[in-house]
Amino acid sequence: GQNIDQPTEMTATEGAIVQINCTYQTSGFNGLFWYQQHAGEAPTFLSYNVLDGLEEKGRFSSFLSRSKGYSYLLLKELQMKDSASYLCAVTDSNYQLIWGAGTKLIIKP
Amino acid sequence: DVKVTQSSRYLVKRTGEKVFLECVQDMDHENMFWYRQDPGLGLRLIYFSYDVKMKEKGDIPEGYSVSREKKERFSLILESASTNQTSMYLCASSPTSGGFPYEQYFGPGTRLTVT
Repeated sequence: GQNIDQPTEMTATEGAIVQINCTYQTSGFNGLFWYQQHAGEAPTFLSYNVLDGLEEKGRFSSFLSRSKGYSYLLLKELQMKDSASYLCAVTDSNYQLIWGAGTKLIIKP
Repeated sequence: DVKVTQSSRYLVKRTGEKVFLECVQDMDHENMFWYRQDPGLGLRLIYFSYDVKMKEKGDIPEGYSVSREKKERFSLILESASTNQTSMYLCASSPTSGGFPYEQYFGPGTRLTVT
């Protein structure tokens, strides 16, 4: 079956760096998305990786290793507003999005 | 800015009622999706549509139907609401890139409670 694993919850300190991991097993691969979702709100797009390597976008970076079925989202200089759930989603061979359950990130002062 | 709107943020219905959830997008996207989101579970796809009058079942279509009569509007119908359909319902749309669906834009969600 298709499966995406990410930690349920993580805690980090304001100003620090945190890495949220995502591992996947899907039938085919056509890209990996990261979304941010604040409590009670809709998910919003953060990043898209289709090739191996690191994509940097301001304080956020996303890494992909297709051979390992692995990705991570790196958040630097954490701010209180980064407290949210982070969703990993993989596009399979049929171009359907398979979603992880999300990682709830708690930022402490 | 892409805008996806949903008809209600909160909805309370009784068991057995027919429920309509409406979704409208203003960016001429080909693809539209309905998900439900429950605590501890990922987003689960109910139905999606790649074109007007076209629909495809997702992972959990049972108890639901959809309608897409116009490109910008995608409706989710609960034929006879049940308590296990209490959930957050999210609509999304996406453009097609290189012939395939790409980044999805989400509406604000409808929190449906069935009593």
